[in-house]
Amino acid sequence: AQKVTQAQTEISVVEKEDVTLDCVYETRDTTYYLFWYKQPPSGELVFLIRRNSFDEQNEISGRYSWNFQKSTSSFNFTITASQVVDSAVYFCALSNYGQNFVFGPGTRLSVLP
Amino acid sequence: DGGITQSPKYLFRKEGQNVTLSCEQNLNHDAMYWYRQDPGQGLRLIYYSQIVNDFQKGDIAEGYSVSREKKESFPLTVTSAQKNPTAFYLCASSIHRDMLRETQYFGPGTRLLVL
Repeated sequence: AQKVTQAQTEISVVEKEDVTLDCVYETRDTTYYLFWYKQPPSGELVFLIRRNSFDEQNEISGRYSWNFQKSTSSFNFTITASQVVDSAVYFCALSNYGQNFVFGPGTRLSVLP
Repeated sequence: DGGITQSPKYLFRKEGQNVTLSCEQNLNHDAMYWYRQDPGQGLRLIYYSQIVNDFQKGDIAEGYSVSREKKESFPLTVTSAQKNPTAFYLCASSIHRDMLRETQYFGPGTRLLVL
């Protein structure tokens, strides 16, 4: 069975601090995809990134970066120089053949001014 | 503008009543999905449809029904058999039927409350 764990339920940081959101996944498949979504207070999930299991390159997009490590089954998300607008719930998700999308429970990030 | 619309934003249900949540997309996506989100929890899949006139149960389909008569529309009915319907409902779509690799794009959600 596949599973996604986001051990951090809530995180609070002060603006301009860096913050890392952890995501650990479980799957028996060798081919799978990992995703991160942001859910701001409005409720709509916003897609941030998709990564396939054969691509372990880290990715940077502006203040966002992702660290994928198959050896530890982790796909962590770092926000550099956090801003108040980054306050949201962040979800990590996993998909593989024959299985539905599985979402983690989410991490609520509060960035204080 | 292309996107996914859900209506209404808030919906109130009386005991024993069936209610229908609307989801429409103009992205020309093949696949559509319904998720339920409870406070402090992740999303759970209710139903999904990879093609018109076909749909599959997700992890928590009991008490719900769907139809997919048109590519752009995937309404969800919450029946009286669903004993705990209060939740936030999110509709999503993806370009192709291949659920493995396709990114799902989400609508703004409908919050259902039981009176």
